[in-house]
Amino acid sequence: SAVISQKPSRDICQRGTSLTIQCQVDSQVTMMFWYRQQPGQSLTLIATANQGSEATYESGFVIDKFPISRPNLTFSTLTVSNMSPEDSSIYLCSVRGGANTEAFFGQGTRLTVV
Amino acid sequence: AQKITQTQPGMFVQEKEAVTLDCTYDTSDPSYGLFWYKQPSSGEMIFLIYQGSYDQQNATEGRYSLNFQKARKSANLVISASQLGDSAMYFCAMRGYSGGSNYKLTFGKGTLLTVNP
Repeated sequence: SAVISQKPSRDICQRGTSLTIQCQVDSQVTMMFWYRQQPGQSLTLIATANQGSEATYESGFVIDKFPISRPNLTFSTLTVSNMSPEDSSIYLCSVRGGANTEAFFGQGTRLTVV
Repeated sequence: AQKITQTQPGMFVQEKEAVTLDCTYDTSDPSYGLFWYKQPSSGEMIFLIYQGSYDQQNATEGRYSLNFQKARKSANLVISASQLGDSAMYFCAMRGYSGGSNYKLTFGKGTLLTVNP
């Protein structure tokens, strides 16, 4: 199994600022995924991050708002840019393990924008 | 496109009893996997159980079992002998294995389970 460390665990940010969330995996993985969970809602995929290529964004999410870096096979960052209160959510990173039966999540980052 | 439907926004169960959480799905992928996750109030996503579309037997993991009915496109989670610590949000999710699905997970809206003493 993969162990994922996500930082920060929570933050309160001023509107108009940006926050970078880090995701560190204890093993090399090809794919990393970033999800958003708005209050009381389910998880929605923001983008898929592959090492060495541009992230692939889902409909409704754009790179200018959610830039992603994937410098190596164990690390990724998601930045939430120019934040507004509507960005208040839990952000989670996830990896696909070695087997198709695996899908691990970090602890999540609980973001509040005021 | 993939879709997961969880029709029970909330469920109540007495401690030590069994409970079934419903999940139906729709996909055009010939090969896919179904997952169940538990999300306590802390927000972490805890993996519970996995069922592959070609698995002949229903998956079991301790007190968790998955009632997989492929023809009906349902993948219900059964929790036996409920415990107070089982109170949480439960999400059903699907992963397709075709290139277009890109191995991403699609989630249902979740079911909030409350276990009463």
